[in-house]
Amino acid sequence: QVQLVQSGAEVKKPGASVKVSCKASGYTFTSYGISWVRQAPGQGLEWMGWISAYNGNTNYAQKLQGRVTMTTDTSTSTAYMELRSLRSDDTAVYYCARDSGGPVIFDYWGQGTLVTVSS
Amino acid sequence: EIVMTQSPATLSVSPGERATLSCRASQSVSSNLAWYQQKPGQAPRLLIYGASTRATGIPARFSGSGSGTEFTLTISSLQSEDFAVYYCQQYNNWPPSITFGQGTRLEIK
Repeated sequence: QVQLVQSGAEVKKPGASVKVSCKASGYTFTSYGISWVRQAPGQGLEWMGWISAYNGNTNYAQKLQGRVTMTTDTSTSTAYMELRSLRSDDTAVYYCARDSGGPVIFDYWGQGTLVTVSS
Repeated sequence: EIVMTQSPATLSVSPGERATLSCRASQSVSSNLAWYQQKPGQAPRLLIYGASTRATGIPARFSGSGSGTEFTLTISSLQSEDFAVYYCQQYNNWPPSITFGQGTRLEIK
């Protein structure tokens, strides 16, 4: 069965960086793209960007351009999201989500990783 | 950026009744719209894509309709497990981006 298992919760200081992992299993990793979606406490869903697990092509949300980098390691079927220059409003649960048959329609999600930014 | 506006913010409905949730796009997204359900402490779950196609394993009481700028998610007879937050998402602007609505909370009346 398809599973996306994310790394554990993180606490970071303002200005630091965080790197969250998403290990995929149960399907051919390189056949589907992965998006990252975050959710601030009590708020809605915000799409952060997408990466092709096939060739590493990326598309990032404009507001995060320059602060976010998404990568994959096909040898371990793992996707990564790194966010730099953290601010308090980056505090959120971060999800990875797999494309379904069509791009950016998300049929499987990770369990979420809480990133807390606090001094 | 295409802005997705959901209404109402909160909808109170009794079990067994019908619930109708709306999603409006700031410009046409054709039929490139999905709906997700999210329960507290859980990741979202895909319900509908292509505006009206149910995802695998989604019960028939969930239906989607609309195209262009106006969309509706209907739950025909509410079950206890349906009380959750629902989000619409447009992907017509892909690439390079997609956007979610702000969500509708469906609560027990």
